[in-house]
Amino acid sequence: GENVEQHPSTLSVQEGDSAVIKCTYSDSASNYFPWYKQELGKGPQLIIDIRSNVGEKKDQRIAVTLNKTAKHFSLHITETQPEDSAVYFCAASSPDKLIFGTGTRLQVFP
Amino acid sequence: GAGVSQSPRYKVAKRGQDVALRCDPISGHVSLFWYQQALGQGPEFLTYFQNEAQLDKSGLPSDRFFAERPEGSVSTLKIQRTQQEDSAVYLCASSLRASGNTDTQYFGPGTRLTVL
Repeated sequence: GENVEQHPSTLSVQEGDSAVIKCTYSDSASNYFPWYKQELGKGPQLIIDIRSNVGEKKDQRIAVTLNKTAKHFSLHITETQPEDSAVYFCAASSPDKLIFGTGTRLQVFP
Repeated sequence: GAGVSQSPRYKVAKRGQDVALRCDPISGHVSLFWYQQALGQGPEFLTYFQNEAQLDKSGLPSDRFFAERPEGSVSTLKIQRTQQEDSAVYLCASSLRASGNTDTQYFGPGTRLTVL
């Protein structure tokens, strides 16, 4: 079955810097890759997603890139702000469910 | 509009008790998912419904776990004879279409279950 690995597990950046989180997946049949942000005591909130027919997608300060050949995808956050601090999860589709990575705790220091 | 809601938000059970966790998906959403999230981990799939049909229950850890969605909207996850290893946050998600995994999944706030 699908396996998703996520790195790093923690990431600390200064406000205004960029943050990059990377994920790899094992199942070449996966075709949908969402990223979720989870704040303490809340459920995961979708921030951006990408499907296998595109290599990059951008939404304001957030971008995702996908390399299907290498089976990895990355989240890029530019001009980070303290409110970006949270746990971020990548996920990959498996026939009828999402397989999640183990999460990255992002801390943005003012 | 209203998102996915779950109740109760917190549940404390003594080992051996039965619990029932409720999920109200976004109105009109066809697909409904249950996930289990252990502390410090990512959500792990439990089961998936398309309308009232339970199409995949491969993630349910044991036969003590049972889920239903009898009218294709509200869903209940029941855990019988709870054990300490059942302590986790139980997340419900719904998506609009029947395609399930490739459609955006909207998550509820979760129910934090603590088994003493």
